[in-house]
Amino acid sequence: AQSVTQLGSHVSVSEGALVLLRCNYSSSVPPYLFWYVQYPNQGLQLLLKYTSAATLVKGINGFEAEFKKSETSFHLTKPSAHMSDAAEYFCAVSTGSSASKIIFGSGTRLSIRP
Amino acid sequence: DAGITQSPRHKVTETGTPVTLRCHQTENHRYMYWYRQDPGHGLRLIHYSYGVKDTDKGEVSDGYSVSRSKTEDFLLTLESATSSQTSVYFCATESGTGFKNTEAFFGQGTRLTVV
Repeated sequence: AQSVTQLGSHVSVSEGALVLLRCNYSSSVPPYLFWYVQYPNQGLQLLLKYTSAATLVKGINGFEAEFKKSETSFHLTKPSAHMSDAAEYFCAVSTGSSASKIIFGSGTRLSIRP
Repeated sequence: DAGITQSPRHKVTETGTPVTLRCHQTENHRYMYWYRQDPGHGLRLIHYSYGVKDTDKGEVSDGYSVSRSKTEDFLLTLESATSSQTSVYFCATESGTGFKNTEAFFGQGTRLTVV
């Protein structure tokens, strides 16, 4: 069975500062990993995904994440935070099996200080 | 954006009444999911479907049932609503066209309050 742990339910950074949201996974098979973003009163939108190609994955809005198998991590980063990045971010894992199930972490709320 | 419509968007119901939430998709995606979102728990999978009339339980399936009689519709039923089922419910779909294309597309959510 697979699972995801997101460290920190709330992260606050200043505008222009580095954003780092942490995600660790557990999977008995090579995983597919995702980051989703949820803006207030909306559904979830895919930021980026890792599907066993390049370990450094670039997504939308300047975000990227690096798959580190040795650390079972898939942390999300952005060099310079914008006010528009304030949202909730979810890490997710899937085995990519025929009955594909995507399992989500508990989420990290990102706040941006002016 | 994938064409996923959830109805209703908001509902208040009384304890003990049955409730059905509908998810409709226009993308011809194979997989469909129902999640519930609660503070501190992220999204938890209730049930999912991997084809017409093919469904399976997720991690929080007690008190819920689903049906999928057509590719485009996935219904979630609360047999007898309880206050613990007050939540925001999200439907998601996935194309199922290959592992490299794995990505879930989400509806806007249904806010259900059980009083």
